[in-house]
Amino acid sequence: GQQVMQIPQYQHVQEGEDFTTYCNSSTTLSNIQWYKQRPGGHPVFLIQLVKSGEVKKQKRLTFQFGEAKKNSSLHITATQTTDVGTYFCAGRDAGGTSYGKLTFGQGTILTVHP
Amino acid sequence: DAGVTQSPTHLIKTRGQQVTLRCSPKSGHDTVSWYQQALGQGPQFIFQYYEEEERQRGNFPDRFSGHQFPNYSSELNVNALLLGDSALYLCASSWGPSMTTNEKLFFGSGTQLSVL
Repeated sequence: GQQVMQIPQYQHVQEGEDFTTYCNSSTTLSNIQWYKQRPGGHPVFLIQLVKSGEVKKQKRLTFQFGEAKKNSSLHITATQTTDVGTYFCAGRDAGGTSYGKLTFGQGTILTVHP
Repeated sequence: DAGVTQSPTHLIKTRGQQVTLRCSPKSGHDTVSWYQQALGQGPQFIFQYYEEEERQRGNFPDRFSGHQFPNYSSELNVNALLLGDSALYLCASSWGPSMTTNEKLFFGSGTQLSVL
């Protein structure tokens, strides 16, 4: 079945440094979503990418969707302590009838030292 | 406008017991998905309900079953609990009238289930 892998598993940065997490799917995706989960909280939707090669920005966050629609990345510029949490990518398989299922990566845990 | 609500927030059960978790979707949403999140892992898809029917199912045994009511709320039932069922169970709602939805998910705060 479809697998979504994320690296790195952990990232510790000093406040002000940049951060990037990468996501790779074993199958081609119809779209990819990113979620953030604060410690003790629940996943909160950040963004969705649909088009091949798409790039979207939200303030200090930049999201990319690969040309082959099998990989994605999230880059945070100049991290702040409020960026702490686990970042998940989640993809919908482009084939078959997987309309309902979002497959999540295992997440990247970001800690920011002030 | 209430978001996704789940109950109970915490639950302790023993092996072999049965449990029922409840979810009310965000106002205006008609689709409910259930996810299991083990500690340190990403959420894993259990199943999705739309129009009171199970629309899709993940790789979970038949011990996991669900239901959706006419008001779109949903229940997740787990029978014959195992220690490995201990996890955070998340309900997520969306609006999904079409077969290929691109809707984002709104998650509830989850039910933390501990099986002893």
